[in-house]
Amino acid sequence: DQQVKQNSPSLSVQEGRISILNCDYTNSMFDYFLWYKKYPAEGPTFLISISSIKDKNEDGRFTVFLNKSAKHLSLHIVPSQPGDSAVYFCAARNSGNTPLVFGKGTRLSVIA
Amino acid sequence: DAGVTQSPTHLIKTRGQQVTLRCSPKSGHDTVSWYQQALGQGPQFIFQYYEEEERQRGNFPDRFSGHQFPNYSSELNVNALLLGDSALYLCASSARPNTEAFFGQGTRLTVV
Repeated sequence: DQQVKQNSPSLSVQEGRISILNCDYTNSMFDYFLWYKKYPAEGPTFLISISSIKDKNEDGRFTVFLNKSAKHLSLHIVPSQPGDSAVYFCAARNSGNTPLVFGKGTRLSVIA
Repeated sequence: DAGVTQSPTHLIKTRGQQVTLRCSPKSGHDTVSWYQQALGQGPQFIFQYYEEEERQRGNFPDRFSGHQFPNYSSELNVNALLLGDSALYLCASSARPNTEAFFGQGTRLTVV
């Protein structure tokens, strides 16, 4: 039972364009959502997060949008750079220091 | 300030053997969680330690056990290794009540 779903295993985008990575969740108790980036041979690195009381959070080139009614969130990267090429994981948790539930990841390739 | 450190980085074991993986949390963090990431999957929560006690556990058999020491470092032990235990094992630390988990680079375990 996948509570966090990333339905696109891979995404290819040209340098300078927008990358949009999508994530859906089924557990309505989730109230905090995170995106992690993972390079080969490294652990996941925290990128950006959003609380369920917000619908948008922005940090530089990265923006996360949350649509609670649709149980959907997305990560926008503008402009995309070759160094953004990595696997991106969407994760969610309930309130407090509860375990993260991860999606399977989306491999982003930014082509120069 | 060192982040989360894990040892060893790679390990090869034979079926039926036992293995111990180690993790030192980020400075100032007191909570350690362990995750298993199989090939092509997102990280799956194994268990979480806080104040030297297992606080939460995911859907993993009793062959997986752990420990947290007074200095907050942690060990993951897996007994009676199976081929299916081959995976990247990730340690994450966090500081209550923060919700961001910081990951180590992982230990790649191969069971042959």
